[in-house]
Amino acid sequence: DVVMTQSPLSLPVTLGQPASISCRSSQSLVYSDGKTYLNWFQQRPGQSPRRLIYEVSNRDSGVPDRFSGSGSGTDFTLKISRVEAEDVGIYYCLQGTQTITFGQGTRLEIK
Amino acid sequence: QVQLVQSGAEVKKPGASVKVSCKASGYTFTDNYMHWVRQAPGQRPEWMGWIKPNSGDTNYAQKFQGRVTMTRDTSISTAYMELSELTSDDTAVYYCARDLGLYWGQGTLVTVSS
Repeated sequence: DVVMTQSPLSLPVTLGQPASISCRSSQSLVYSDGKTYLNWFQQRPGQSPRRLIYEVSNRDSGVPDRFSGSGSGTDFTLKISRVEAEDVGIYYCLQGTQTITFGQGTRLEIK
Repeated sequence: QVQLVQSGAEVKKPGASVKVSCKASGYTFTDNYMHWVRQAPGQRPEWMGWIKPNSGDTNYAQKFQGRVTMTRDTSISTAYMELSELTSDDTAVYYCARDLGLYWGQGTLVTVSS
């Protein structure tokens, strides 16, 4: 299976400041169709996960534009331009290029 | 609005089976894949497989092959996930998720304990 490794595992951020989460895969996530199936999820405390970003950089409907995704091959990044209180939670990357696997999660908290 | 409503919490003994349901509303049930994901306490989510509601085709993660069965009843827009031979390691919250995207069920806690 493709192993997804996130860093940092814990991310204390001051309100209004930017945040960045890294996700690295053990193999290239470029599929035979040329697409890269790397998604980002947010899981707020006590809630179900919800997808924020699909195929590296596409924001899902209703996701604030302060969230952005980038990267290629095996290295990917989720950025939040200005952290708000509602962003507290755990963020997971997921790859769907091979058998679906999740990263271990990054816990974002307000400093 | 799209909703996925799952069945309630279950407590099972080791060796038993559990069947979780996921009732969809607000969209055409047969238009989208339904995935199942579980999350043990304090752990990352773990993908279990998907079902294509229009055909009933399934794809299971190798880890669960032989122990999981995903089915659907299109007449009531409901997907099911049955897991057999339960052990304490199967204690987790089980989620259904449409296309593994925006819409997820609320989760069903399955506790396996003697």
